[in-house]
Amino acid sequence: DGGITQSPKYLFRKEGQNVTLSCEQNLNHDAMYWYRQDPGQGLRLIYYSQIVNDFQKGDIAEGYSVSREKKESFPLTVTSAQKNPTAFYLCASSMADSNQPQHFGDGTRLSIL
Amino acid sequence: AQSVTQPDIHITVSEGASLELRCNYSYGATPYLFWYVQSPGQGLQLLLKYFSGDTLVQGIKGFEAEFKRSQSSFNLRKPSVHWSDAAECFCAVGPSRNAGKSTFGDGTTLTVKP
Repeated sequence: DGGITQSPKYLFRKEGQNVTLSCEQNLNHDAMYWYRQDPGQGLRLIYYSQIVNDFQKGDIAEGYSVSREKKESFPLTVTSAQKNPTAFYLCASSMADSNQPQHFGDGTRLSIL
Repeated sequence: AQSVTQPDIHITVSEGASLELRCNYSYGATPYLFWYVQSPGQGLQLLLKYFSGDTLVQGIKGFEAEFKRSQSSFNLRKPSVHWSDAAECFCAVGPSRNAGKSTFGDGTTLTVKP
């Protein structure tokens, strides 16, 4: 079945450590997105990519980095510069047309040890 | 700039009662509008979408939404709520051709009383 796979489902980070969240899609979608969700809050856009080898900052990009070397993959690195990384992270993808909805993965919950 | 407002943070309805969740948007052109639902610890699932044409759109699980351009609204409705409908509901607009990204509302938590 086509879909988006995020791994791991739970992730723990030590202080000063970088961690990478995986996002893979087999929907042949051009666009991919990373969101952060905090308890009781909506989705905040971290980064998005509309084509391979290109990506743009979202509303809260500081302390995060991404790459888009392959169409199906869009990993997110939470760096040590992100001082409050504990959150639920959601990856999504969509077709390039602006009238297409986004398809979401099941998320990764990141916690600080 | 595009924006979405969901005025109701939390809505509680009794099982079998009707439901309406409000969504207001700001957008520079004809909007593309979506409602998504999220169960705890899960990703978002598309309920329905509006692009053009009939202003009343039908979605999955018996949900519907009505686009009202004059009120800049896209309210979600369901005639009879089931306990399994309890979730977080998000309204979204876009993406616009210039912005390349969608904008989500802050969500409405739907609780269903037995």
